[in-house]
Amino acid sequence: GAGVSQSPRYKVAKRGQDVALRCDPISGHVSLFWYQQALGQGPEFLTYFQNEAQLDKSGLPSDRFFAERPEGSVSTLKIQRTQQEDSAVYLCASSSTLGVDTQYFGPGTRLTVL
Amino acid sequence: GENVEQHPSTLSVQEGDSAVIKCTYSDSASNYFPWYKQELGKGPQLIIDIRSNVGEKKDQRIAVTLNKTAKHFSLHITETQPEDSAVYFCFEGGGADGLTFGKGTHLIIQP
Repeated sequence: GAGVSQSPRYKVAKRGQDVALRCDPISGHVSLFWYQQALGQGPEFLTYFQNEAQLDKSGLPSDRFFAERPEGSVSTLKIQRTQQEDSAVYLCASSSTLGVDTQYFGPGTRLTVL
Repeated sequence: GENVEQHPSTLSVQEGDSAVIKCTYSDSASNYFPWYKQELGKGPQLIIDIRSNVGEKKDQRIAVTLNKTAKHFSLHITETQPEDSAVYFCFEGGGADGLTFGKGTHLIIQP
């Protein structure tokens, strides 16, 4: 594809439900990042993959958050037992290089927990 | 973004004037400083970046300057146009603090 795509674009969940957010990075990009962006704030780092390896998950706010990238391409961010404070836009970005370099962002998934 | 301070949070300028947004950081090991533009309902888009071995970089109406000694970097937009209205984020990376965005500057271009 031409860019990073994310699905769904909008998700409404009842408190306590599990959700899964999908990211399709740019083809061939080895690095993949997830960020959480609260309303009116800058994106906050959640986790980083290099191919299928999750090298950094220091930003995941709790053990209810889990991310995977089993084949080194598509990634899924899963949130279990959602809480109202999980309401945010979840952004995915990919990069063609290892480490810190230009990141290309998807449009994000807006999660609202009622 | 607690390791990156971005100012101002809101900036209103007349069309055609210049806009300057500044970020300060604390990690001396950081070596990559991009600026992103985010429009409503979209993800951030890279507009310019600079690495720690360069003091200034320019791309048409947009420029970024880096002062490693003072640990700050700035975004300069000249001859502002209505389509420049958006939220701008600075970013620092490559250091021990990881990947950190500033809190954003809402730039408003007044016609």
